[in-house]
Amino acid sequence: NAGVTQTPKFRILKIGQSMTLQCTQDMNHNYMYWYRQDPGMGLKLIYYSVGAGITDKGEVPNGYNVSRSTTEDFPLRLELAAPSQTSVYFCASSYLTSSDTQYFGPGTRLTVL
Amino acid sequence: EDQVTQSPEALRLQEGESSSLNCSYTVSGLRGLFWYRQDPGKGPEFLFTLYSAGEEKEKERLKATLTKKESFLHITAPKPEDSATYLCAVQAVGSGNTGKLIFGQGTTLQVKP
Repeated sequence: NAGVTQTPKFRILKIGQSMTLQCTQDMNHNYMYWYRQDPGMGLKLIYYSVGAGITDKGEVPNGYNVSRSTTEDFPLRLELAAPSQTSVYFCASSYLTSSDTQYFGPGTRLTVL
Repeated sequence: EDQVTQSPEALRLQEGESSSLNCSYTVSGLRGLFWYRQDPGKGPEFLFTLYSAGEEKEKERLKATLTKKESFLHITAPKPEDSATYLCAVQAVGSGNTGKLIFGQGTTLQVKP
């Protein structure tokens, strides 16, 4: 199993541009999550999904959108990128319930200039 | 407000010099406490989950313990390959169905040969 994979690894955006961060898991996990990690700060939850077709906001959802059309994929969309969205983004998944261990992908480092 | 604080922020050890990392938490009710290891440029890697006070778990040179207010990650006779940032996260009962993890800011451990 590849686990949780994310693409791209790095990206530089100009202010106002849009992009989609891709996340795929091959573990047949129900739950998927998007976090952002800023220097010196803990990871913050952006959005989560309990299964295909079901998504909801986390702690810091403003400026982001998600969709979950399949069990495997959970893309994160940035519309009108702003410098405040410069961060490292991690996708994670957990098996069956919200209490199960979350397994993380390798991350996408995004810079908005 | 649910909160997680890790100390120290950084720790330098000589190879073989045992020590402990601290994770203090304030939550309305603890559903689980998670320890992760994060290497530079990589995603968090799962180490342990602890659910109730008095619980202990071990893996190689690492041992995690839990009380009602804090968790310790004990590192016995560390090696240079143990150098990494160690993240603590809690899941509160109040998180409901979200699976939301509240992360501390991490402790960066450097083990010198």
